[in-house]
Amino acid sequence: GDSVTQMEGPVTLSEEAFLTINCTYTATGYPSLFWYVQYPGEGLQLLLKATKADDKGSNKGFEATYRKETTSFHLEKGSVQVSDSAVYFCALYLQGGSEKLVFGKGTKLTVNP
Amino acid sequence: DTAVSQTPKYLVTQMGNDKSIKCEQNLGHDTMYWYKQDSKKFLKIMFSYNNKELIINETVPNRFSPKSPDKAHLNLHINSLELGDSAVYFCASRDWTSTDTQYFGPGTRLTVL
Repeated sequence: GDSVTQMEGPVTLSEEAFLTINCTYTATGYPSLFWYVQYPGEGLQLLLKATKADDKGSNKGFEATYRKETTSFHLEKGSVQVSDSAVYFCALYLQGGSEKLVFGKGTKLTVNP
Repeated sequence: DTAVSQTPKYLVTQMGNDKSIKCEQNLGHDTMYWYKQDSKKFLKIMFSYNNKELIINETVPNRFSPKSPDKAHLNLHINSLELGDSAVYFCASRDWTSTDTQYFGPGTRLTVL
């Protein structure tokens, strides 16, 4: 079945460090790919998305590129801030498939000043 | 002007009780979801309704019964609560025809004692 694998956390970085959170997927078709973020005590918010191969999603300094050849959608940010501390979820959605969002297990990021 | 709202935010109850969680969205969406997030932050879909019709029903115990009185509401009723039901429950909504992006509520933290 469809699945998402993302790097285990927690990840702890210093402010202004470079961030990468790896995400790979398995799907029978061509899914849309998402990164959602969950700040402490809150619900999930869409961070960015990409709907087809080679698309790049970007928002708030975060970027991820849909790589069909490696079935990956790694999240990157050049310089993290303390306010980026949150749990990040990679997810896929396959229209005409299971019709549901499939999430990775989440990666907790802590950024220290 | 909250887009997706849930009540209550916190729910503490005894084993064996019956409880309900309510969800409302004012986005005009036609599809709504319930997710369960366990203590390790893993998110799993439970149910999905499109135009008040059930379209996704994962392998959830039948103690859980969703009810959609109209397109803007999807409530979750849980009978005979068990310790393992303790989790954070998230409601989400989406416009089925125009986007695959889901919008999440703030969550309801259920604690069963």
